[in-house]
Amino acid sequence: DTEVTQTPKHLVMGMTNKKSLKCEQHMGHRAMYWYKQKAKKPPELMFVYSYEKLSINESVPSRFSPECPNSSLLNLHLHALQPEDSALYLCASSQDFKQGDGYEQYFGPGTRLTVT
Amino acid sequence: AQKITQTQPGMFVQEKEAVTLDCTYDTSDPSYGLFWYKQPSSGEMIFLIYQGSYDQQNATEGRYSLNFQKARKSANLVISASQLGDSAMYFCAMRASGTGFQKLVFGTGTRLLVSP
Repeated sequence: DTEVTQTPKHLVMGMTNKKSLKCEQHMGHRAMYWYKQKAKKPPELMFVYSYEKLSINESVPSRFSPECPNSSLLNLHLHALQPEDSALYLCASSQDFKQGDGYEQYFGPGTRLTVT
Repeated sequence: AQKITQTQPGMFVQEKEAVTLDCTYDTSDPSYGLFWYKQPSSGEMIFLIYQGSYDQQNATEGRYSLNFQKARKSANLVISASQLGDSAMYFCAMRASGTGFQKLVFGTGTRLLVSP
């Protein structure tokens, strides 16, 4: 099973709302990632988790708060977002990258977020 | 620093013909991996093919092959016998030892349109 699931598929939220994006994988992967993708642009890395610990934060504003409750789950908590945060949010997972460079990332279908 | 360059914003090909999507990269890291992903309009990133920097032979996966020319720092994707379902955005990406293989850096992408 090479599936990464993400919920919800679509989300519309106001600037004062608090919401969460969820990502789940059951491939035994120990690295998980959040990406943000604006229209007609490549994905941009936001966060990397390795063995449930935050490994990389690409200077993401604090209104985005990641959480990795266990090795299969990755959440992204959203609070006080701005309209420019509207984008496709992609989750990915891979085997432990510390072993080398050959481990592809498997992506979920993404959550299309609109901030009004 | 790592950089991926895709100079073709869009490519057109007729069904059953072969097409080459260009990708050049720049890194000073001795070890790196190159990936190609396909992104249909639905949004999900689909892994296609991987080439390691120390691999002697070009990677192949079904109708996909990677033309790896290390001295020229190029990693072009060749799709043989194009199908209508190949119409999508294609991203070249790289992970390198300098970032502990944690960061996947994407090029700007090439939109491929396959016509009947």
